[in-house]
Amino acid sequence: AAGVIQSPRHLIKEKRETATLKCYPIPRHDTVYWYQQGPGQDPQFLISFYEKMQSDKGSIPDRFSAQQFSDYHSELNMSSLELGDSALYFCASSQSAGQRPYEQYFGPGTRLTVT
Amino acid sequence: QKEVEQDPGPLSVPEGAIVSLNCTYSNSAFQYFMWYRQYSRKGPELLMYTYSSGNKEDGRFTAQVDKSSKYISLFIRDSQPSDSATYLCAAGGYNKLIFGAGTRLAVHP
Repeated sequence: AAGVIQSPRHLIKEKRETATLKCYPIPRHDTVYWYQQGPGQDPQFLISFYEKMQSDKGSIPDRFSAQQFSDYHSELNMSSLELGDSALYFCASSQSAGQRPYEQYFGPGTRLTVT
Repeated sequence: QKEVEQDPGPLSVPEGAIVSLNCTYSNSAFQYFMWYRQYSRKGPELLMYTYSSGNKEDGRFTAQVDKSSKYISLFIRDSQPSDSATYLCAAGGYNKLIFGAGTRLAVHP
């Protein structure tokens, strides 16, 4: 079965640079979520989109922005990177309609290292 | 205080043991409760999904939710070394999930 695709899988950036992470949800999934997981920590919710509109916002820094496009893929844009942004970034997707709405399936993650 | 509390362990059990993993949550608005399994450097894998109070069984796994006490449990029967991973409970509503800290489980032969 198709899963959530994230690219790139690994990214190394320097402080103050910009990074863009991409997420391709499972086909027919209309909702996308972004999470940040620091070393040894649980995933922290950043932001979610439903039908290309932002549906909820968590602890996302103002330096970060995200959007969902007409094909439902999503991009997380991160500017003025800081050392503390080094983490695993997960995208998850779900299908709002159907028998089990909001059941989130996670991608493999993008490991961002800021040096 | 976190909205979802989970003992991070680690928990070490012999093969074949019954494992009990537990979480508590504080937000009465939470409607969905899930258990994820995460191997090192991998994305969380959805194990169980429950909406209401009660038990839900899937093979060797049983998820239990008690909304009156805000308690979430996962039981693993006949545990196997391949079950060794971090188990994350999560609770949420329509637009996001709040995760517990994750319990690291090691099943030794």
